[in-house]
Amino acid sequence: RKEVEQDPGPFNVPEGATVAFNCTYSNSASQSFFWYRQDCRKEPKLLMSVYSSGNEDGRFTAQLNRASQYISLLIRDSKLSDSATYLCVVRGGSQGNLIFGKGTKLSVKP
Amino acid sequence: GAGVSQSPSNKVTEKGKDVELRCDPISGHTALYWYRQRLGQGLEFLIYFQGNSAPDKSGLPSDRFSAERTGESVSTLTIQRTQQEDSAVYLCASSARTGNQPQHFGDGTRLSIL
Repeated sequence: RKEVEQDPGPFNVPEGATVAFNCTYSNSASQSFFWYRQDCRKEPKLLMSVYSSGNEDGRFTAQLNRASQYISLLIRDSKLSDSATYLCVVRGGSQGNLIFGKGTKLSVKP
Repeated sequence: GAGVSQSPSNKVTEKGKDVELRCDPISGHTALYWYRQRLGQGLEFLIYFQGNSAPDKSGLPSDRFSAERTGESVSTLTIQRTQQEDSAVYLCASSARTGNQPQHFGDGTRLSIL
């Protein structure tokens, strides 16, 4: 099993749609979780951290389910500018390095 | 500058040459990470520094790859005897410390081996 797994997509949605991405991780000792977005040929940028109680930032909601070892990202009222690849990121156990999923590609159409 | 700075932004070199990539982390960030991203692929972890030491270098793909960090600041990633499969974007990231702190990425160095 890969350390961090994501559906690669692409997810093609119309503007205004709600879209959800899931991610699973294999290391039950993982402590830190993040969602990053990466635009084409650009570096990854932090979108939001994921907290145990779930957290929201505007149109974006992140959830963590430790028992099932999955993380989700919900985007409401999609904008064209949301088109990007969304990377699920987990800090692997006691190590300092972050483990990146391969990303889920989102394309929002007019 | 305020962000992570990488140089060069682009590097084209012939197979068999050595290359050196540089990363200037955000001032005060003790943790520094190198990743590789091939075209259309996900990020591949290479090595991580805490201060000047590298507790995890498990991602270095071969002994042609090495990295060092000095002064708890600048890091260089060296690739010796480059091969065509080394062509990728090499990304550097830093964070204030390990644990729950997110990483901030530089723009990357796009390396092309002819």
